[in-house]
Amino acid sequence: GAGVSQSPSNKVTEKGKDVELRCDPISGHTALYWYRQSLGQGLEFLIYFQGNSAPDKSGLPSDRFSAERTGGSVSTLTIQRTQQEDSAVYLCASSLEGILGGGYTFGSGTRLTVV
Amino acid sequence: QKEVEQDPGPLSVPEGAIVSLNCTYSNSAFQYFMWYRQYSRKGPELLMYTYSSGNKEDGRFTAQVDKSSKYISLFIRDSQPSDSATYLCAMRPNAGKSTFGDGTTLTVKP
Repeated sequence: GAGVSQSPSNKVTEKGKDVELRCDPISGHTALYWYRQSLGQGLEFLIYFQGNSAPDKSGLPSDRFSAERTGGSVSTLTIQRTQQEDSAVYLCASSLEGILGGGYTFGSGTRLTVV
Repeated sequence: QKEVEQDPGPLSVPEGAIVSLNCTYSNSAFQYFMWYRQYSRKGPELLMYTYSSGNKEDGRFTAQVDKSSKYISLFIRDSQPSDSATYLCAMRPNAGKSTFGDGTTLTVKP
């Protein structure tokens, strides 16, 4: 597609429930990133998929968080047993790799509220 | 200490002013330097992208990188109310993920 698409745009869930957030990157972009942005804060790195390499999961805050990328395209971020501190905007971005990478193209984010 | 420190703001300037936004960093492996603009309830949008030290100009925007001082700046000339947004600096090594500053919120008053 023309841009990075994220769904849903808003999600309200009860504490303890699982949620899935979806990201559709720009076609041909081999790198895909998930970041989290809490109110008034900067971007916190979560996970990075780079082509066929093993993903960099170093930013995942706990084992309740996981992500996968199928067929080198769509990615799903899953949060199990959600907690109130998981409330944030989850941003997905894609780019080309390495020296061709340039900057990221971000989606509009999924605003997650855990009540 | 964070790898990337950004002047926190907020900044409020009159229309037409020159704005200076700044970040410092500690990781000498950073080679690519970016500035993003983020409007309320939107994802960040790439504004400027530079490699290594030097200046890059694009319209009213100028990005400066001084690797010897580990300091980057974004200058906005003739600022407009439509420039009101949060500005995020970001940087990365040759390969790998970007590290972002916490952002500076700018308000340009008509």
